[in-house]
Amino acid sequence: GQQVMQIPQYQHVQEGEDFTTYCNSSTTLSNIQWYKQRPGGHPVFLIQLVKSGEVKKQKRLTFQFGEAKKNSSLHITATQTTDVGTYFCAGPLSSGSARQLTFGSGTQLTVLP
Amino acid sequence: DGGITQSPKYLFRKEGQNVTLSCEQNLNHDAMYWYRQDPGQGLRLIYYSQIVNDFQKGDIAEGYSVSREKKESFPLTVTSAQKNPTAFYLCASSRTGEGRQPQHFGDGTRLSIL
Repeated sequence: GQQVMQIPQYQHVQEGEDFTTYCNSSTTLSNIQWYKQRPGGHPVFLIQLVKSGEVKKQKRLTFQFGEAKKNSSLHITATQTTDVGTYFCAGPLSSGSARQLTFGSGTQLTVLP
Repeated sequence: DGGITQSPKYLFRKEGQNVTLSCEQNLNHDAMYWYRQDPGQGLRLIYYSQIVNDFQKGDIAEGYSVSREKKESFPLTVTSAQKNPTAFYLCASSRTGEGRQPQHFGDGTRLSIL
């Protein structure tokens, strides 16, 4: 079936190091969304990418959507302890007779002080 | 402040019991969703509704039921047929369905078996 794959599953970094998580879809996506879930919290929407090759920045976070609209990445420059959490990508894939947002399994980021 | 309210925050279920999780939104969103999250895992779609009085099964609907009688409300019942209900349940809403719009999540309900 259609899937959204995300790697790595876990990442431990020293504070100040960079971090990247990658997302791949088995099919072309109309858009890709990124969410952050803090430990014990709920997912919070970060950004949506729509165009092929699109790059968006939010302070230290850089989001990319691949040219073929089947992959995406989130890069954090100079991580801080506030970046701790699980980062999910999500894209609309077929679910029964309709398309619904399908979430990747997430990358759990730990930042060591 | 607009948002999604889930209750209760924690819920305990006895064997053979049905329990209902509440989800209310005041964002005027048409679409609402229920997800299940197991420890260290992603979100799996249980049910979704794109409009009042209509809802569809997601990937793991067995043992669950929903209703959508009002735009603001989308309660989830975990029935006794769901043999492994212990999980974190998240309700979400979006302006429209089909994955075109960002989803807003409630704080979740943690369900455990007694």
